[in-house]
Amino acid sequence: GAGVSQSPRYKVAKRGQDVALRCDPISGHVSLFWYQQALGQGPEFLTYFQNEAQLDKSGLPSDRFFAERPEGSVSTLKIQRTQQEDSAVYLCASSLVGGDTQYFGPGTRLTVL
Amino acid sequence: GENVEQHPSTLSVQEGDSAVIKCTYSDSASNYFPWYKQELGKGPQLIIDIRSNVGEKKDQRIAVTLNKTAKHFSLHITETQPEDSAVYFCAASNFGNEKLTFGTGTRLTIIP
Repeated sequence: GAGVSQSPRYKVAKRGQDVALRCDPISGHVSLFWYQQALGQGPEFLTYFQNEAQLDKSGLPSDRFFAERPEGSVSTLKIQRTQQEDSAVYLCASSLVGGDTQYFGPGTRLTVL
Repeated sequence: GENVEQHPSTLSVQEGDSAVIKCTYSDSASNYFPWYKQELGKGPQLIIDIRSNVGEKKDQRIAVTLNKTAKHFSLHITETQPEDSAVYFCAASNFGNEKLTFGTGTRLTIIP
């Protein structure tokens, strides 16, 4: 079946631009996670949704980062006024329920010039 | 919060030999420990996981062991093949706090 999909796969932004990254989770999966993966590092948690409710946003690095999942399915991670330190791969994962196996998408590689 | 340490950071193994990667965690409340394989340009792929109510789990050439007292868990790959070459990540979480805390990764290279 279809896995987690993310778009775009690559995004180049000039410093100061806003970007929006999309995640389509596996159909029927209640839980959705965003992680940030810097080059050569492990993924780091950003935020977590259960259906449309954002239950944990403790990993968002600043108020420039905003995530939503308005209908409990597709999610968008928005970064305002991008900075060079935002350059990373942004991974989305979904699981059937909380505590279940997390399945990852291919990620979006963001490069801020 | 949880802290997961992973070693070694790089590992080269002759094809057919075994590879072992070790992780330690800090939060005694952690009870779920997955292992992911990540190939270049792809997202992490789950290869095996273990929950705290068992000490060992095996799936063909891959096994994971868990020592809750010592707070460490290990990945064992036997009869390694070239397609096992990738970066491997361990992770930990606990029920009620579903976010995964990842280790720093091990780059495994299988030498033909």
